Amino acid sequence: DVKVTQSSRYLVKRTGEKVFLECVQDMDHENMFWYRQDPGLGLRLIYFSYDVKMKEKGDIPEGYSVSREKKERFSLILESASTNQTSMYLCASSLIRPNEKLFFGSGTQLSVL
Amino acid sequence: GNSVTQMEGPVTLSEEAFLTINCTYTATGYPSLFWYVQYPGEGLQLLLKATKADDKGSNKGFEATYRKETTSFHLEKGSVQVSDSAVYFCALSDLAGGTSYGKLTFGQGTILTVHP
Repeated sequence: DVKVTQSSRYLVKRTGEKVFLECVQDMDHENMFWYRQDPGLGLRLIYFSYDVKMKEKGDIPEGYSVSREKKERFSLILESASTNQTSMYLCASSLIRPNEKLFFGSGTQLSVL
Repeated sequence: GNSVTQMEGPVTLSEEAFLTINCTYTATGYPSLFWYVQYPGEGLQLLLKATKADDKGSNKGFEATYRKETTSFHLEKGSVQVSDSAVYFCALSDLAGGTSYGKLTFGQGTILTVHP
């Protein structure tokens, strides 16, 4: 079965720090996504990538950037972390086909102090 | 743009009770609709889906019917178990296709707690 692995389950950082969240998938999926999950707001798409070195902004890209140098790895970067970026971050992957399901990692709970 | 609205939670039920979680959507055209479930400490996983009007998705005793006339995709289960306690998300697919396949718009999630 597909495995999507996020590097950290819990992360605590200070305001202004540069933060890297890493995600790796093992099923050769073209698509990879970064969502943030906040109570009452559901999941909101930050960025997605449909191929190596390709990226597109989601609904809330401000304050974030991404990197996809290899097909299996998709990194989310917070250039200068702020307290309003405290959240659960979920990575997902899928094939580029209609109605293909997303496979999610178990999430990284980031706290910015 | 696309949007998904779920009923407010949390929902608390006793074991063997009937479950309904309402979901309505706004989209241009004819999206595909999904229910994802998130168990404690885990990522989301697909529960069921329906790709066209009047389709019924089903899995693990859960069902949802794609109702175009009411723009709804309500989740139902006849008899819930303690192990069904989780967060349930309704979602719809992006209609653009091509490189946008896989992009989903999610509802806010509904927390379900089932007591013995």
